[in-house]
Amino acid sequence: QVQLVQSGAEVKKPGSSLKVSCKASGGSFSTYPFAWVRQSPGQGLEWVGGINPLLGSTTYNHRFQDRVSISVDEPTRTVFLELTSLRSDDTATYYCARMLVQGMAATGPWKFWGRGTRVIVSA
Amino acid sequence: EIVLTQSPGTLSLSPGERATLSCRASQSVDSLLLAWYQQKPAQAPRLLIYSTSTRATGIPDRFSGSGSGTDFTLTISRLEPEDFAVYYCQHSGNSPTFGPGTKVDV
Repeated sequence: QVQLVQSGAEVKKPGSSLKVSCKASGGSFSTYPFAWVRQSPGQGLEWVGGINPLLGSTTYNHRFQDRVSISVDEPTRTVFLELTSLRSDDTATYYCARMLVQGMAATGPWKFWGRGTRVIVSA
Repeated sequence: EIVLTQSPGTLSLSPGERATLSCRASQSVDSLLLAWYQQKPAQAPRLLIYSTSTRATGIPDRFSGSGSGTDFTLTISRLEPEDFAVYYCQHSGNSPTFGPGTKVDV
């Protein structure tokens, strides 16, 4: 069974950078795109971006275009999300998610989800 | 980017009742690209339905999806206690989007 284990909660200062990890176990790693989806407290879901590990190609939500980077380390089956120039409205739970089917882009639907990494941005 | 709106915002029902949730897209979408998720407090979303009407593995058949064009519906035929949650529709376009959610509560 596929499992996604995310790194622990983070508290960051405004203007700093964040790096969150998601380690996948079970199933194929490189042939399924992964996405990051975030949820601000009490709010809905927002796609941050995604990566195709096989191709190394990434797509990002234009809202984060200049601040976000998603990468993978195939030997450790880990997906990373980096977000720079953090602001208070980046406070959210960040979820890693794996596509239901193999494909080119991590645009959904997502079958497997991590438990989320809570990030607080505060001075 | 497709904007999804969901109605109602909150649906107050009792166990055993039928729930009908609506998702409307800002423009016509490919029905293969419309999915529904369930989310309970402090949990990750759970994929229920994809391609408008296909249940994900392990999802009970009381959940069904339908629709086309701009209007899509998630129906829960008989609510079980574990079905009280928030439901999101999602479009898998080049820039994926989610609806704001419908909360089904008692």
